[in-house]
Amino acid sequence: NAGVTQTPKFQVLKTGQSMTLQCAQDMNHEYMSWYRQDPGMGLRLIHYSVGAGITDQGEVPNGYNVSRSTTEDFPLRLLSAAPSQTSVYFCASSYSALQSSGANVLTFGAGSRLTVL
Amino acid sequence: DQQVKQNSPSLSVQEGRISILNCDYTNSMFDYFLWYKKYPAEGPTFLISISSIKDKNEDGRFTVFLNKSAKHLSLHIVPSQPGDSAVYFCAAYSYGKLTFGQGTILTVHP
Repeated sequence: NAGVTQTPKFQVLKTGQSMTLQCAQDMNHEYMSWYRQDPGMGLRLIHYSVGAGITDQGEVPNGYNVSRSTTEDFPLRLLSAAPSQTSVYFCASSYSALQSSGANVLTFGAGSRLTVL
Repeated sequence: DQQVKQNSPSLSVQEGRISILNCDYTNSMFDYFLWYKKYPAEGPTFLISISSIKDKNEDGRFTVFLNKSAKHLSLHIVPSQPGDSAVYFCAAYSYGKLTFGQGTILTVHP
């Protein structure tokens, strides 16, 4: 099993450009999410989805769009990149919606490092 | 407002000794806590977890302690090994979301 696959691994953008970070999982997980990791800030939730057709905002959603047309894919779109979006982005999935039990274990992708000049 | 805080950015320990990583939280609605481990150029991987109804959970060399009254949890690694060198994140669950701390870089010296 590939698990959670993120592409690209590295990307450099100019301010104002748009791009999509791809995330795919082959574990039939219902729950998918995007985090960004910044120095001193830890992992912060951007958007998440509890199933196909359902998305919701996390802690830092501004500047990002998501959609969930299939169970497997959860792309993250930057419509007009800004230097503040320079970060490492992680996609993570779980079998079901997070809850107060052992079902909270997230499987993470390897990350996508984005630099906005 | 950081609801989950890891106040030590780094920790250095000798091989064979105990590593203690700390995490504090402010939201009393958190009811499940997890530790993740992250190596460079990889995504975080799940290490150990604890429910708020317990005060201790053990898995091999790893033990997590929860002090609800102090809103504090800690991860103990005994004995520490060089392969444990990584970034450790604590995370707390509430209302369908996981909130992560800033991470602590653990270095275990041979």
